[in-house]
Amino acid sequence: GAVVSQHPSWVICKSGTSVKIECRSLDFQATTMFWYRQFPKQSLMLMATSNEGSKATYEQGVEKDKFLINHASLTLSTLTVTSAHPEDSSFYICSASGRSSTDTQYFGPGTRLTVL
Amino acid sequence: GQQLNQSPQSMFIQEGEDVSMNCTSSSIFNTWLWYKQDPGEGPVLLIALYKAGELTSNGRLTAQFGITRKDSFLNISASIPSDVGIYFCAGRRGLGYNNNDMRFGAGTRLTVKP
Repeated sequence: GAVVSQHPSWVICKSGTSVKIECRSLDFQATTMFWYRQFPKQSLMLMATSNEGSKATYEQGVEKDKFLINHASLTLSTLTVTSAHPEDSSFYICSASGRSSTDTQYFGPGTRLTVL
Repeated sequence: GQQLNQSPQSMFIQEGEDVSMNCTSSSIFNTWLWYKQDPGEGPVLLIALYKAGELTSNGRLTAQFGITRKDSFLNISASIPSDVGIYFCAGRRGLGYNNNDMRFGAGTRLTVKP
């Protein structure tokens, strides 16, 4: 199956700093990448959808200046949490899908962000 | 977004028992998917369903795409300890490759006692 990687797998940072999370599709070209946030014992909440070479589409209530998304190539998307605060601590998961209409989303292993 | 109602929220079963969980929606979906998530990991796709009425198996797992396109179920037969995890249903409305957003159910937390 398709493989999606995320880096780092976990990160601890101080309040006020920015953190960048990378999402890579390793063996396929990802036309679209998605970023999700998951709180403990809850479902995945879609934050934004990004298509290669264009601006990301953010879900209602998600601050685009806070969560910067760059989908620079067909295999890489990045999420930068700017000026992180403790309430940004969460599990962030990316997924990627290809061009076919039946392509589903393949998920990365997630990044655990802890803001002190 | 569209709401997916997944039930049950949690299940505690004995090894060897069969398991059934389902998802319903007030909206029509064109694709139903079932994922499993282990603690600290991303979801892994178990079964994808693309056609109303479709019944698909993957080993001990069987899933069906409801005929109304508003529901789906997942069955696990003869459960084993490694089936433990959270199972999510997901519905996708889009048909084109650029219209791929999904909505997830709240998850079913499965515990299997040896």
